[in-house]
Amino acid sequence: QQQVKQSPQSLIVQKGGISIINCAYENTAFDYFPWYQQFPGKGPALLIAIRPDVSEKKEGRFTISFNKSAKQFSLHIMDSQPGDSATYFCAAAYAGNNRKLIWGLGTSLAVNP
Amino acid sequence: AAGVIQSPRHLIKEKRETATLKCYPIPRHDTVYWYQQGPGQDPQFLISFYEKMQSDKGSIPDRFSAQQFSDYHSELNMSSLELGDSALYFCASSFSTVNTGELFFGEGSRLTVL
Repeated sequence: QQQVKQSPQSLIVQKGGISIINCAYENTAFDYFPWYQQFPGKGPALLIAIRPDVSEKKEGRFTISFNKSAKQFSLHIMDSQPGDSATYFCAAAYAGNNRKLIWGLGTSLAVNP
Repeated sequence: AAGVIQSPRHLIKEKRETATLKCYPIPRHDTVYWYQQGPGQDPQFLISFYEKMQSDKGSIPDRFSAQQFSDYHSELNMSSLELGDSALYFCASSFSTVNTGELFFGEGSRLTVL
């Protein structure tokens, strides 16, 4: 059973548009929610992360929105660029599982020029 | 800034052979994680080490073993290789504190089993 459910599986956005990727979780013990960006043949790179004591975190064009009551969090990429084309993974962790990342299945984002 | 270093980057082996992957964590990071990622899949957690002791174990086959050495580098040893072991193997490191969970990944080692 996938503990972190990510959608959509793939996403196509026009340059300048907004990319939105959603994740949902069940385990209320999770207290750390990172997003990783992965280019083909490369390792995942931490993009942005949030903890449940805040509802939103913004870093440049990337924003995480967090809804604790709904147990959902999402990544918004504003002004999407072709260079943002990559696979995005949401994840979750908590101290009780040695902070082992529980991954979503990933979203393949393609930004058309 | 120093990153996680993995070697080799690419490795081709025959079935039933053995392979060893190495990982050098970011300096002062005390925790190392190994992940396996198949094509189009999310990373699958294999095993982790904290201060040279195994801290957690995931879906690591019995044919695989790993350890962390006194200089904090880690090695993943894979024996009796099977075709299904072909994947990208990532090492990640972190500095374990209560309030952070940031993992930094290496570039990965691509293992191809023929």
